[in-house]
Amino acid sequence: EVQLLESGGGLVQPGGSLRLSCAAAGFIFNTDAMNWVRQAPGKGLEWVSLISGSGDDTYYADSVKGRFTISRDNSKNTLYLQMNSLRAEDTAIYYCAKGSPFGYWGQGTLVTVSS
Amino acid sequence: QTVVTQEPSFSVSPGGTVTLTCGLSSGSVSTNYYPTWYRQTPGRAPRTLIYSTTSRSSGVPDRFSGSILGNKAALTITGAQTDDESDYYCVLYMGSYWVFGGGTKLTVL
Repeated sequence: EVQLLESGGGLVQPGGSLRLSCAAAGFIFNTDAMNWVRQAPGKGLEWVSLISGSGDDTYYADSVKGRFTISRDNSKNTLYLQMNSLRAEDTAIYYCAKGSPFGYWGQGTLVTVSS
Repeated sequence: QTVVTQEPSFSVSPGGTVTLTCGLSSGSVSTNYYPTWYRQTPGRAPRTLIYSTTSRSSGVPDRFSGSILGNKAALTITGAQTDDESDYYCVLYMGSYWVFGGGTKLTVL
């Protein structure tokens, strides 16, 4: 059974940083692309970033390019999202999602950017 | 900036059939965009219904089907049930990134 468990969310001030993690289990992690997708309170879904199975290729939404960095540690079956220069509009639930398109989703972790 | 369009809301009677669509602000949706559909209820993570235009995700009943209708991707629900009341999202692949539609709130009454 595929399991994705996000962690690392919380309250951060504007301009601050946060690192999200997604622990994966139940599949061969290094064979699948992984994504981060977010959802602002009461709003729709927004794709944030994608990383290939090897980690060699990464892609970002324009809204986070230059501020967020996606990475993975295939030896630990873990996906990461380093978020810098956070803004109020980054407030959202952040989901990690397996595959391209996103076949399996974690339950999400809430990031709140506020002073 | 590419915009993916969905009906903001739709209503269907129990037992009825409804077709939700997923279009582009400019151009036509084709299978090359790998249209994928998700369903989300409040407080829960999205669940995949249809991927790559027509493929049903594991465990999804055959009441749900995907297609291309005209210049849009479509999700058809037949024999609508009250627990189909959810938000439905489509997403399209743009070559190196994905774009979600704004979602359709489906009411079953």
